[in-house]
Amino acid sequence: DAKTTQPPSMDCAEGRAANLPCNHSTISGNEYVYWYRQIHSQGPQYIIHGLKNNETNEMASLIITEDRKSSTLILPHATLRDTAVYYCIVRANRDDKIIFGKGTRLHILP
Amino acid sequence: DAGVIQSPRHEVTEMGQEVTLRCKPISGHNSLFWYRQTMMRGLELLIYFNNNVPIDDSGMPEDRFSAKMPNASFSTLKIQPSEPRDSAVYFCASSLTRGHDGYTFGSGTRLTVV
Repeated sequence: DAKTTQPPSMDCAEGRAANLPCNHSTISGNEYVYWYRQIHSQGPQYIIHGLKNNETNEMASLIITEDRKSSTLILPHATLRDTAVYYCIVRANRDDKIIFGKGTRLHILP
Repeated sequence: DAGVIQSPRHEVTEMGQEVTLRCKPISGHNSLFWYRQTMMRGLELLIYFNNNVPIDDSGMPEDRFSAKMPNASFSTLKIQPSEPRDSAVYFCASSLTRGHDGYTFGSGTRLTVV
């Protein structure tokens, strides 16, 4: 049970911001939102995580709604190398396991 | 840092043979995870270790699968006997601490059982 809902696929033009939504309406107070991505033929790659505040790193920004029931991963200037499956995961801070759902397949269009 | 190292990258074996997949986690990481990925079932967690001790093996599909972590720098996943339905990409991942750290995944082993 992945506890999150994501669109199966999305397209984004190269150079534009890619906004990937995720619903996690049953998230509990101690659960974090994590994002990973998997480029074809590679292992999943950690991107970012957050609890309730918005987060930014060199790869992406994470916007979490005030009620924490949904979030958006933003890739500010998408490139062709960002084509991948993006996974949104909720995970309690004391739970080691990460359970992957089906994710969103993001196509960056030239 | 070389990252999580898995071997072999590709393995082709005949049904009934024993298969051993290997993983070297990142030095200092104390949690290790084995995942399996297929088109039909996606990424499935098989088992994970914390400080070399198996914590949860509920994802191991059946008794033909076994995993060990004899020390902090090495783990194996063994399938005996192998079957065609075991064909998949097997990933190993490690993390530093329980809690907030992301996992670092290896490049995976693509197993084909014919």
